[in-house]
Amino acid sequence: SYVLTQPPSVSVAPGQTARITCGGDNIGSKSVHWYQQKPGQAPVVVVYEDSDRPLGIPERFSGSNSGNTATLTISRVEAGDEADYYCQVWDSSSDHVVFGGGTKLTVL
Amino acid sequence: EVQLVESGGGVVQPGGSLRLSCAASGFAFDDYAMHWVRQAPGMGLEWVSLISGDGSTTYYADSVKGRFTISRDNSKNSLHLQMNSLRSEDTAFYFCAQDVAGGWFDSWGQGTLVTVSS
Repeated sequence: SYVLTQPPSVSVAPGQTARITCGGDNIGSKSVHWYQQKPGQAPVVVVYEDSDRPLGIPERFSGSNSGNTATLTISRVEAGDEADYYCQVWDSSSDHVVFGGGTKLTVL
Repeated sequence: EVQLVESGGGVVQPGGSLRLSCAASGFAFDDYAMHWVRQAPGMGLEWVSLISGDGSTTYYADSVKGRFTISRDNSKNSLHLQMNSLRSEDTAFYFCAQDVAGGWFDSWGQGTLVTVSS
């Protein structure tokens, strides 16, 4: 089955740039979606189809996907960005949705 | 505004059964595939199951295949998950989520907690 690998944690100071990676075999050939989840809340999509942003998501959130790594980039990080972030793809070979293990973003 | 409201969670003994429901509103329900996603306390997201808009196609995670059944009633804008032969590892918050063409989840419910314990 297809596996997505994320770092368990990323720490960044306010105002700096956070990069959260999502590794998978030839993930560049798939569409990658990113979700933000704060404690006690349902996930919210912040980037879909590699690099598109839903209405209401700040431009500070961006995504890229190439080769074996997809990346969620959060520019000018704010305290309110502290959350868990998950990448997700559809694996057509198994007809399964696959989530990465999640990355806890800590704003120092 | 899209609204998804789950219900039916609770405490059940190992080997028991439970039926979850998700009431949908604010969109043309039968135009969208729907999913169940779960999250054990303190853990990550795990996809459980998918059903197409007309209910003709379903998919399951290997961990629940043969024990869980997803269904929908488009006349009532409702989604269901019948869970049988429950195990302690099925303990989790269960979310229903709306699928957007392209395979991502635009809207989620707030979740319902299922606890499998003797």
